[in-house]
Amino acid sequence: QSVLTQPPSASGTPGQRVTISCSGSSSNIGSKTVIWYQQLPGTAPKLLIFNDNQRPSGVPDRFSGSKSGTSASLAISGLQSEDEADYYCSTRDDSLNGVVFGGGTKLTVL
Amino acid sequence: QVQLVESGGGVVQPGGSLRLSCAGSGFSFSTYGMHWIRQAPGKGLEWVAVIWHDGSNRYYADSAKGRFTISRDNSMNTLYLQMNNLRAEDTAVYYCARSISMGTLDHWGQGAVVTVSS
Repeated sequence: QSVLTQPPSASGTPGQRVTISCSGSSSNIGSKTVIWYQQLPGTAPKLLIFNDNQRPSGVPDRFSGSKSGTSASLAISGLQSEDEADYYCSTRDDSLNGVVFGGGTKLTVL
Repeated sequence: QVQLVESGGGVVQPGGSLRLSCAGSGFSFSTYGMHWIRQAPGKGLEWVAVIWHDGSNRYYADSAKGRFTISRDNSMNTLYLQMNNLRAEDTAVYYCARSISMGTLDHWGQGAVVTVSS
């Protein structure tokens, strides 16, 4: 059971806007910045969003992050077939002195 | 460009040991904290361990405490994970990753496959 809760699956059609949620608590999302990773099939995870809503260089602005209270969301607009991947939210965990991940959401582009 | 290349994976019997390596290049290795993260077949990501840039602090997930040791050799730009007393549930792809802040992993290696089986 992951500390951060994500829906196991999400789907959308090309061009659509989809959102993926990540629910936590006051000890993680509520007090730490949220990070999102994208894992394309058969590849290593890639940093997608950091500091709740910042994109590393090279990440299209179709991807955006937001946070409110103890929940965070990843939004993907103008959905493309190459967005089909697993998406993970993550935060720092002070009790572990490490990081925690959500269980991951498999995004299917119909 | 930043590159992280893991090696040392393989098949090992339960109770056995394995040492993973992660060679960093294209950046100042000694100025970054480094993590190991694993992913069991068909499962999500699980954080394993972190080591400070200078090796002064190391922290582990409960699943790794007492069995795994994270270390680094900054003169060789290499990160290690010594895994002892391996169990079937340690079977996973092990990734090393660079940390730009405690929780943000901005570059990941391609992964090393570890299979624990008799």
